[in-house]
Amino acid sequence: KAGVTQTPRYLIKTRGQQVTLSCSPISGHRSVSWYQQTPGQGLQFLFEYFSETQRNKGNFPGRFSGRQFSNSRSEMNVSTLELGDSALYLCASSLQISSYNEQFFGPGTRLTVL
Amino acid sequence: TQLLEQSPQFLSIQEGENLTVYCNSSSVFSSLQWYRQEPGEGPVLLVTVVTGGEVKKLKRLTFQFGDARKDSSLHITAAQPGDTGLYLCAGITSGNTGKLIFGQGTTLQVKP
Repeated sequence: KAGVTQTPRYLIKTRGQQVTLSCSPISGHRSVSWYQQTPGQGLQFLFEYFSETQRNKGNFPGRFSGRQFSNSRSEMNVSTLELGDSALYLCASSLQISSYNEQFFGPGTRLTVL
Repeated sequence: TQLLEQSPQFLSIQEGENLTVYCNSSSVFSSLQWYRQEPGEGPVLLVTVVTGGEVKKLKRLTFQFGDARKDSSLHITAAQPGDTGLYLCAGITSGNTGKLIFGQGTTLQVKP
């Protein structure tokens, strides 16, 4: 079974631009969560989607948004990029059939904002 | 704010030594997961612990979940250079499915 895939793997943008990142979950997984990883803050939760609905949201500004499609694929968008948005963006998918919800991560998208 | 304190942050040891990494919180977790991450890659799930007091073994790695489900530990016996990497603990609290709360991570270097 194929793992979680994320595209693109690397991205360079300039301040003020916007960016869209894509995540394809493991087949059959209906939950997709997004995380931001930086050296200073570690891994921080952005949001989670389940069956096309945002079910949980972290403490990030409204510039960070996401959505999920009927095939469970998910995208996240960051508008008006800032230098501090440079990070590794990770998505994880989960089967969501048990209370402990094991999450499986993709390789991430490395975003650099210049 | 739910926090997961992970210690130590950095560990550099010789091959063959034993080590323990700790994750502590004041919050109760319905489950806790341990991951290992290589540079430039996503975290890879090592184990999930669910029951208070649970102990799981994965070859030379032993994972324990505290009785109150607020803390966990990872013990590595006879560390090898291949164990080098970033180890992360992450917990899920009740009612927050899909939201992992991560510790800051432990960077482990095992020297041959």
